[in-house]
Amino acid sequence: DAGVTQSPTHLIKTRGQHVTLRCSPISGHKSVSWYQQVLGQGPQFIFQYYEKEERGRGNFPDRFSARQFPNYSSELNVNALLLGDSALYLCASSLTGTAYEQYFGPGTRLTVT
Amino acid sequence: QKEVEQNSGPLSVPEGAIASLNCTYSDRGSQSFFWYRQYSGKSPELIMFIYSNGDKEDGRFTAQLNKASQYVSLLIRDSQPSDSATYLCAVNPRDAGGTSYGKLTFGQGTILTVHP
Repeated sequence: DAGVTQSPTHLIKTRGQHVTLRCSPISGHKSVSWYQQVLGQGPQFIFQYYEKEERGRGNFPDRFSARQFPNYSSELNVNALLLGDSALYLCASSLTGTAYEQYFGPGTRLTVT
Repeated sequence: QKEVEQNSGPLSVPEGAIASLNCTYSDRGSQSFFWYRQYSGKSPELIMFIYSNGDKEDGRFTAQLNKASQYVSLLIRDSQPSDSATYLCAVNPRDAGGTSYGKLTFGQGTILTVHP
């Protein structure tokens, strides 16, 4: 079975622009979580969605938003990009939305110039 | 105080030795604890989790949990050069309402280098 997939792999944007990152969970998994990992730091929780409902939100500004589609794939949107948004954005998939069995995708490397 | 603290290292051990990685956490309500390994340029992969006080062994890896001291550790026996990576400690906290969902709070990671 395919693992978690994310697109695009790499992305370069300019300050003030908008970006959309995409994630497809493992087949059968109903929950997707998004994390931001700045170089040299651990991942930081942004959102969790389970069965298309937002289950949790981390300490991120309203410029960050997400949604989950009926096929359980998910999008993370970031508006008005700042230099500090440059990071690896990770998507984690789980069957039931608990912390015990989260599998991370390869990530999207976002560079804001 | 950071929610999850790890010594960033680097921790350098010779091949065949035991590597000991430590982590402390601030939220006493945390229920489960995780160790992830992350190779450079890759995403984190789960090594093991623990939720009861004491030790839990899986192959060359042993996780230890002491809730009273708010301390989690990971021991890697017979360390190999392929174990060289960043090791991330994560906890699953409860929100203000006492609900635990899928959020993981990570430490900054400890860089481990195993030299031949």
